[in-house]
Amino acid sequence: AQSVTQLDSQVPVFEEAPVELRCNYSSSVSVYLFWYVQYPNQGLQLLLKYLSGSTLVKGINGFEAEFNKSQTSFHLRKPSVHISDTAEYFCAVRGNTNAGKSTFGDGTTLTVKP
Amino acid sequence: NAGVTQTPKFQVLKTGQSMTLQCAQDMNHEYMSWYRQDPGMGLRLIHYSVGAGITDQGEVPNGYNVSRSTTEDFPLRLLSAAPSQTSVYFCASSRRDTQYFGPGTRLTVL
Repeated sequence: AQSVTQLDSQVPVFEEAPVELRCNYSSSVSVYLFWYVQYPNQGLQLLLKYLSGSTLVKGINGFEAEFNKSQTSFHLRKPSVHISDTAEYFCAVRGNTNAGKSTFGDGTTLTVKP
Repeated sequence: NAGVTQTPKFQVLKTGQSMTLQCAQDMNHEYMSWYRQDPGMGLRLIHYSVGAGITDQGEVPNGYNVSRSTTEDFPLRLLSAAPSQTSVYFCASSRRDTQYFGPGTRLTVL
């Protein structure tokens, strides 16, 4: 069994400020970790993923995340946000053997203010 | 490639009606999944498939049926719609690691 906790339901931030969206997970097996972004009335778009190797993962739109196995965390960061980053962000985890069975967090709403 | 396609985009049903949500992918992916998304919650897995002819239940399977007769298609059937099934439904497909999501179907059950 696996679970995901996104620690902040809403994160307001001013434009050009840094942001961190926090994600903790639990699993009894080795995992793959993902961050997705969802813009209003759209589907999910992959931001980045951790499968193995380097624990610092870079994704699209200037986002990066760091896998911390000892703290079972996978926090998403961006050094300088834009208005266009306003969206819902989801952290997801799945075991490394079943590509069809992901568990998602409840989401974090990032609101970037001018 | 069209990727993952879903039809319809919107649907309104009355309680007790049945319908099928369609999902198709053209990437030759083995894995396909159905999720539902409710306000304030993440996606919850309904059913998934690891290949043609093989399906299994996810976290919230009650009230839904699936079958997978081809690699490309993975329809989701609501046998007798209930207001609790009002939600946005997403289909996804994957090969080994990354899931690719369709645009979603917004279903309202009155």
